[in-house]
Amino acid sequence: EVQLVQSGGGLVQPGGSLRLSCAASGFTVSTNSITWVRQAPGKRLEWVSVIYSDGTTYFADSVKGRFTVSKDNSKNTLFLRMNSLRAEDTAVYYCARVLSSTRRWFDPWGQGTLVTVSS
Amino acid sequence: EIVMTQSPATLSVSPGDRATLSCRASQSISSSLAWYQHKPGQAPRLLIYGASTRATGIPARFSGSGSGTEFTLTISRLQSEDFAVYYCQQYYHWFSFGGGTKVDIK
Repeated sequence: EVQLVQSGGGLVQPGGSLRLSCAASGFTVSTNSITWVRQAPGKRLEWVSVIYSDGTTYFADSVKGRFTVSKDNSKNTLFLRMNSLRAEDTAVYYCARVLSSTRRWFDPWGQGTLVTVSS
Repeated sequence: EIVMTQSPATLSVSPGDRATLSCRASQSISSSLAWYQHKPGQAPRLLIYGASTRATGIPARFSGSGSGTEFTLTISRLQSEDFAVYYCQQYYHWFSFGGGTKVDIK
C-alpha cells in the first residue's frame, strides 16, 4: 500500500525550530516528488514546499529562507526543517506525493501533524 | 498568484440526493485541477485530477467537469461516508487551493 506516515510537530516558542518527518511506504522517496501543505486554524490549505525527484526544491514566499527539506533515502523518509518559527506558522502540516513534475496532483497524503508556535 | 474560489461554503444535502460543488479560478488553468475530500483527523483524499479523471478506487458517483476557469464536482446519490469538506486545487502555476465546501447532512 502506498502510504505516508508523519511524525514530529508539537509546541515551540516563536523563533524556535522544529523538524517534521514524512515516512513513505509502497514507493521510494528518492525517485518521487514530495510536497508539504499546511492548514492554519480556520484557513484554507496553503502550499508550502515541493522537492522534485531530481532534487529541485521550491518554497512558498511565506517560508522561503526559513524552511528547508531533505531526504534520508536509507529510511525512505522526507524531512521539513522549520527555523525562525512565527505564530503564523501554526498549522496542521501535511506531506503528500506529487505524481510527477507534469502530473502535479497530490496522492497520497500523510495524516498531518500539528505545529503550534506560541510562548 | 492564481486564486481559487469555491461555492457554496456549506452545502446541506439529504442522503441519496445530488450535490453540486463549484470552483472558480482567477485566470485560466486549462484542465489543471484536482478535487480532494477531507474528513476531520484524516488525510485528504484525491478524488479527481485533470478536472474530470477519477483517481484510482474513487466511486463512479463522483464526477468532475469544466475547464478554463469554471469547474464542478458532482456527487450523485450522496452516501453517509461522503459528508466531508471538499477542496479544489490548481496545479497550472504552482499550487493553490480553494477555501473548501463543507457537505453536511440536511
